[in-house]
Amino acid sequence: DQQVKQNSPSLSVQEGRISILNCDYTNSMFDYFLWYKKYPAEGPTFLISISSIKDKNEDGRFTVFLNKSAKHLSLHIVPSQPGDSAVYFCAASVANNDMRFGAGTRLTVKP
Amino acid sequence: GAGVSQSPSNKVTEKGKDVELRCDPISGHTALYWYRQSLGQGLEFLIYFQGNSAPDKSGLPSDRFSAERTGGSVSTLTIQRTQQEDSAVYLCASSPRRATTYSPLHFGNGTRLTVT
Repeated sequence: DQQVKQNSPSLSVQEGRISILNCDYTNSMFDYFLWYKKYPAEGPTFLISISSIKDKNEDGRFTVFLNKSAKHLSLHIVPSQPGDSAVYFCAASVANNDMRFGAGTRLTVKP
Repeated sequence: GAGVSQSPSNKVTEKGKDVELRCDPISGHTALYWYRQSLGQGLEFLIYFQGNSAPDKSGLPSDRFSAERTGGSVSTLTIQRTQQEDSAVYLCASSPRRATTYSPLHFGNGTRLTVT
């Protein structure tokens, strides 16, 4: 049962432009949402999070938006840099319990 | 060490053999998670520990898979009678899981398991 879905397996963006990665979820009990970034041969690293009481959280070039009614969240990266090229995973949990991940989106930022 | 440590980093085994994968979480982290990532796939949840108990084992794919955690620290994931479809990267993560704040997971670099 895929409770967290990332429907775009890949995304290619020009350096300097905005990257928008999308994620949908089915469990309305989820109240904590995160984005992780993963490079080859390394474990995922935490990027940014948002709790269900907010609809936006910003950290430098990274902004996460949450639309609870649509059960949708997105990650905006602006401006995109070649070093942002990685696989991005969306994750969600209920009350900080077991965390479920999406299938990932491979972002390629072209110089 | 400062981060989550997993061993071995790579393991090649013959079909039918048993394997044990080890995870050393960050000191003081009470929650521990196992995930696996098969080639070209996302992160598949396997099991979650809070302390030494496992409230959620729902992700274990079959009864050939088991996991334990002792002393609220080190965890081992055991796969018996390995099959080729078990080939994947097995990732361990830990979290402080404080009751009043939300905490992201901290991942190790994984164990790449290849079953020949």
